Order: sequence, then structure tokens, then C-alpha cells
Amino acid sequence: AQSVSQHNHHVILSEAASLELGCNYSYGGTVNLFWYVQYPGQHLQLLLKYFSGDPLVKGIKGFEAEFIKSKFSFNLRKPSVQWSDTAEYFCALGSKSARQLTFGSGTQLTVLP
Amino acid sequence: NAGVTQTPKFRVLKTGQSMTLLCAQDMNHEYMYWYRQDPGMGLRLIHYSVGEGTTAKGEVPDGYNVSRLKKQNFLLGLESAAPSQTSVYFCASSSGGSSGSYGGEQFFGPGTRLTVL
Repeated sequence: AQSVSQHNHHVILSEAASLELGCNYSYGGTVNLFWYVQYPGQHLQLLLKYFSGDPLVKGIKGFEAEFIKSKFSFNLRKPSVQWSDTAEYFCALGSKSARQLTFGSGTQLTVLP
Repeated sequence: NAGVTQTPKFRVLKTGQSMTLLCAQDMNHEYMYWYRQDPGMGLRLIHYSVGEGTTAKGEVPDGYNVSRLKKQNFLLGLESAAPSQTSVYFCASSSGGSSGSYGGEQFFGPGTRLTVL
């Protein structure tokens, strides 16, 4: 079975601080990895995705993530957060063995102005 | 191009009542999914469909039924609602193909907030 762990449940930062949200997964085969963002009261939107190739993936709004296969990790980063980044962030795993995504429990990010 | 739409946006039910949530997508996607989102638990898959006329159980299927009579629509039914089914329900869809058919990118609808009293 595959699983995704997001160890940070709630992160509070001040504007301009750097961000790193952890995501670890459990699966032994080839994976697709995603970060989704959910702004307050809205639906999930894709931030970035990794299917293959360069393990450093750049997404929208200045976010990036690095796939480290040896650590089973796909951490999300942003060098300088803004108040508008306040949202819940979900890491998700897809694999060829399952026709679905497995989501982590989410990390609530609060950015203080 | 509306993407994924859900009807209704809000609903309040009494225990034991039934209802159907409708999801529609205009992207010609093969795969569709129903999730529920509860605080601190992320998204949990209820049921999904890999094509017209097919359905499969997800992580938390009990108390729900689904149907995919048309490729663009995926219905989620609650036959006898219970307070434990109070949640926000999201529908999603994804395409088939080499990168999309297995664990590919999913597109989400705006959600339905359901309260069961």
C-alpha cells in the first residue's frame, strides 16, 4: 500500500520568510508526485507536479519542490512567502499500481503580514 | 470551458434523508473521483470510476453509492444520511494516457458542503 506523510500540520511564518514543507511517501515503485494548494473556501489547485526527469520542479507562484528518491521525499519550498500564500497545502502520490492519488493530511500555512 | 462543476454547493439534511450530489466535467476525462475532506484528515477517496459504466470503491465507501452512466457525469448518492457524513465533498477528474491514467494530475470541482443534523 502507498501512503503520504506530511509531518507539519500547521506552519506560521512572517511575510518574506522562507518556506519548506515536508512530504514523505511510502511506495517502492515509480511514482508521480504532486503538490496541491487550497485557498480558504476554494477547491484544490495544482501547484506543481513531478513525473520524471529533473528532480527539481518549478511550479506556479514561485513554488518549487525537489524529489529525492533515496529519502522518499518531495518537499515544497518557496524562498519568500507572501500573505496571499496563506492556504492549506497537500502532497499527493500517484503510482502505476493504483488509478488514484493518495493524499497527505495537509499542512495549514499561515503567513502573518 | 467550465472544467469540473458540482451541484449543489451547500445542503443540509436530516438524519435518514437521502440525496444525490452531481459532478460534471467537460474535459472528456476518463477517470472521475469523489473525495470527502474533514479537518485534519486530508482528502479521503470514497469511490472512483475509470470509465463510463464502471465504478470502484475507495478508502471510505460505506454509506455511499455512485453511478457513471455518462462519461461526463459522476453521481454520489447517500441513501440514508448520518451525522458522520457531514463533510465537504470534492469531485475530481483526470485523463487517461501514459502519464495520466495511473495516478496522474486530477482537476477538482469547487466542492459541496453537506451538513447532516
